[in-house]
Amino acid sequence: AAGVIQSPRHLIKEKRETATLKCYPIPRHDTVYWYQQGPGQDPQFLISFYEKMQSDKGSIPDRFSAQQFSDYHSELNMSSLELGDSALYFCASSLRRGVDFVVETQYFGPGTRLLVL
Amino acid sequence: TQLLEQSPQFLSIQEGENLTVYCNSSSVFSSLQWYRQEPGEGPVLLVTVVTGGEVKKLKRLTFQFGDARKDSSLHITAAQPGDTGLYLCAGDGSSNTGKLIFGQGTTLQVKP
Repeated sequence: AAGVIQSPRHLIKEKRETATLKCYPIPRHDTVYWYQQGPGQDPQFLISFYEKMQSDKGSIPDRFSAQQFSDYHSELNMSSLELGDSALYFCASSLRRGVDFVVETQYFGPGTRLLVL
Repeated sequence: TQLLEQSPQFLSIQEGENLTVYCNSSSVFSSLQWYRQEPGEGPVLLVTVVTGGEVKKLKRLTFQFGDARKDSSLHITAAQPGDTGLYLCAGDGSSNTGKLIFGQGTTLQVKP
């Protein structure tokens, strides 16, 4: 079965540079979530999109922005990178069902490991 | 703010032993999910529990959702070295948008 695809898998940047992370959800999934996981920490929710509209926002810095495109893939744009941005960034996708928008289980991608030097 | 308290945070046991991991909260969750994560990889879904009191079994793993939907447990019978990894519980946040609130995780080491 197709899974969530993230690219790149590894990324090394210098301080103050920019980075773009990409996420391709499972086919037919309409919702994408972004999480950040620091070393030895649990994943923290950043932002989510449903049908190309932002649906929720968590602890995402103002230096970061994201969007979901017409083909449902999503990109997380990170500017003015700081050392503390070094982390694993996960994308997850799910499918909302029915008029009550019951959210189905989230499936995670393999993550992008970002290292800021 | 919804929080999930997971315990223990670290567990080192011998092959063949049983263990239980707990995930507790003062908040009600409409569902709880258990994930297993390998180093440098994304969390892999093990199970989703939705109904209070629900019990689900996955081979040697038994998952239970508390009657009040505030807590959950993961029990592993006859642990094997292949069970070694990070186990995370996660609940849907209160915004009804699907965002997950994670517990701190339990790092399990099963020694042969």
